[in-house]
Amino acid sequence: EDQVTQSPEALRLQEGESSSLNCSYTVSGLRGLFWYRQDPGKGPEFLFTLYSAGEEKEKERLKATLTKKESFLHITAPKPEDSATYLCAVQAGYGGSQGNLIFGKGTKLSVKP
Amino acid sequence: DGGITQSPKYLFRKEGQNVTLSCEQNLNHDAMYWYRQDPGQGLRLIYYSQIVNDFQKGDIAEGYSVSREKKESFPLTVTSAQKNPTAFYLCASSLYDNYGYTFGSGTRLTVV
Repeated sequence: EDQVTQSPEALRLQEGESSSLNCSYTVSGLRGLFWYRQDPGKGPEFLFTLYSAGEEKEKERLKATLTKKESFLHITAPKPEDSATYLCAVQAGYGGSQGNLIFGKGTKLSVKP
Repeated sequence: DGGITQSPKYLFRKEGQNVTLSCEQNLNHDAMYWYRQDPGQGLRLIYYSQIVNDFQKGDIAEGYSVSREKKESFPLTVTSAQKNPTAFYLCASSLYDNYGYTFGSGTRLTVV
């Protein structure tokens, strides 16, 4: 069964304290792994797509990496405006959920000034 | 600007009533999706449509219905058969052969 597990469920950081969020997955032929940011009461906002192990992508203070079993979202020197829930999703290449995104439950990040 | 518009932002429904949530996109995307989001749970797929006049059930389709008469529109009806409809509903779209979704801003449905 295709599955996505994110950890930790919640993470509290001080401003400037770097850390990482984890996304572990099992999927029938990974077609893509996606990271989204979601603010309270709003729809998810696209951050990154990763397609193959070893791939990395960066955007401002965020860097996403991918292995064959998991992905990390590294946050360097976070600011309070980085506070949000970060969602990870995978897209299966074949099987019952082929083509559709399967989401994890998210990591709620709080950055205190 | 291209995007997805969901309306209304907040919706209140009495028990036993059907209610329809609107989703419109001007991105020229082929595929559209409806997800439900509950506290502490991931997004769960309700229905999806890859082309006009065709749609498939997702993981939690019971108590919901959809239509896809136009490429731009994918309304979701929450019927009285849905036992626990209070939730945050998200609509999304994607190019058929593209990877990743664009989401709307969501509709929060509350049963009173």
